[in-house]
Amino acid sequence: GENVEQHPSTLSVQEGDSAVIKCTYSDSASNYFPWYKQELGKRPQLIIDIRSNVGEKKDQRIAVTLNKTAKHFSLHITETQPEDSAVYFCAASRDDKIIFGKGTRLHILP
Amino acid sequence: ETGVTQSPTHLIKTRGQQVTLRCSSQSGHNTVSWYQQALGQGPQFIFQYYREEENGRGNFPPRFSGLQFPNYSSELNVNALELDDSALYLCASSLAFGGGGEQYFGPGTRLTVT
Repeated sequence: GENVEQHPSTLSVQEGDSAVIKCTYSDSASNYFPWYKQELGKRPQLIIDIRSNVGEKKDQRIAVTLNKTAKHFSLHITETQPEDSAVYFCAASRDDKIIFGKGTRLHILP
Repeated sequence: ETGVTQSPTHLIKTRGQQVTLRCSSQSGHNTVSWYQQALGQGPQFIFQYYREEENGRGNFPPRFSGLQFPNYSSELNVNALELDDSALYLCASSLAFGGGGEQYFGPGTRLTVT
């Protein structure tokens, strides 16, 4: 079955700097790669997603890249703000079954 | 917020008991997936229902079972509860099947097994 590895597990960046989270997946049939943000005690919220026929997608300060050959994908957050502090999960999906990474706790330092 | 609701919000059970958790899908969605999220971990896929039939299962024992109803709402049942079953249980609904559609998560049910 699918396995998703996510790094780093914890990331601290200065406010205004960029943050990068990287993930790899094992199942080459996975075709949908969502990223979720989860604040303490709340549900995961989709922040951006990318499909396997696209290499890059951007939404304001957030961008995601996908390398199908290498089976890895990354989340880039630019100009980080205090409200970006949360746990971020990458995921890979095939047939609508989502397999999550273990998460990255992002701290935005003042 | 999504249109997915779950009940109850919190639940405390004793080891060996049985529990039923409920999920109402977002209107028009025909697929429901259930996830278990232990503290400090990512959600783990339990199983998925599509048009009232189980459509894939993760690495969970048979004491985890489910149902989906004609209105696409769903239940997760767990028998013979164990301490390790303590977790946040999330359901997510989606419309597309096989097309990699966005899943909308409910707020979750926090289950504590003592």
